[in-house]
Amino acid sequence: QVQLQESGPGLVKPSETLSLTCTVSGGSISGYYWSWIRHPPGKELEWIGYIHYSAYTNYNPSLMSRVTMSVDTSKNQIFLKLTSVTAADTAVYYCARNSRRFGELWAEYWGQGTLVTVSS
Amino acid sequence: ERVMTQSPATLSVSLGERVTLSCRASQGVGSDLAWYQQRPGQPPRLLIYAASTRATGIPARFSGSGSGTDFTLTISSLQSEDFAVYYCQQYNAWPPITFGQGTRLEIK
Repeated sequence: QVQLQESGPGLVKPSETLSLTCTVSGGSISGYYWSWIRHPPGKELEWIGYIHYSAYTNYNPSLMSRVTMSVDTSKNQIFLKLTSVTAADTAVYYCARNSRRFGELWAEYWGQGTLVTVSS
Repeated sequence: ERVMTQSPATLSVSLGERVTLSCRASQGVGSDLAWYQQRPGQPPRLLIYAASTRATGIPARFSGSGSGTDFTLTISSLQSEDFAVYYCQQYNAWPPITFGQGTRLEIK
């Protein structure tokens, strides 16, 4: 059974960089698309972007200028960086596995999520 | 950007009832529509993809239908574990992939 686990600081100061890691176990990241999704309190789920194991990425235009995703296939990890954070970036952040096929972007497996609070 | 609108926002229902949840897209998304269930403190759980295909391990009481702009998720006979929030997601016109605001099922 594939398992995903997000990790990273739970508190980030305004204007700093949010950095999260998603560690995948029970399966390889190779061959799949992987998404980061966040859920701000009281708001809708928001897709941040996806990365293919080959490192091809596609980001939400609303976040594109601040987001970077990367992968380390040797460690079975996916990374998210979000720069210049504000209180509006406070959310539960999830990593999720999509399909092997391009365009099949439903999320079959999800991590438990990690709450990141932006505050001084 | 495709805006996904779910209705109603909250639905009060009884155990054993048949329930239909609605999701409407601002423009057509073909059949590129997924449904998720989220219980408190848990991540979303994939129920349906491609509008009507049940994900692995999902009970047959969950079914999805629709195409284009109008979609429904039906739960044929509500069980206690079904009281949760349900989200739809389109993955046809991206970026960005977009979600609905959710429908909460409450016990009547």
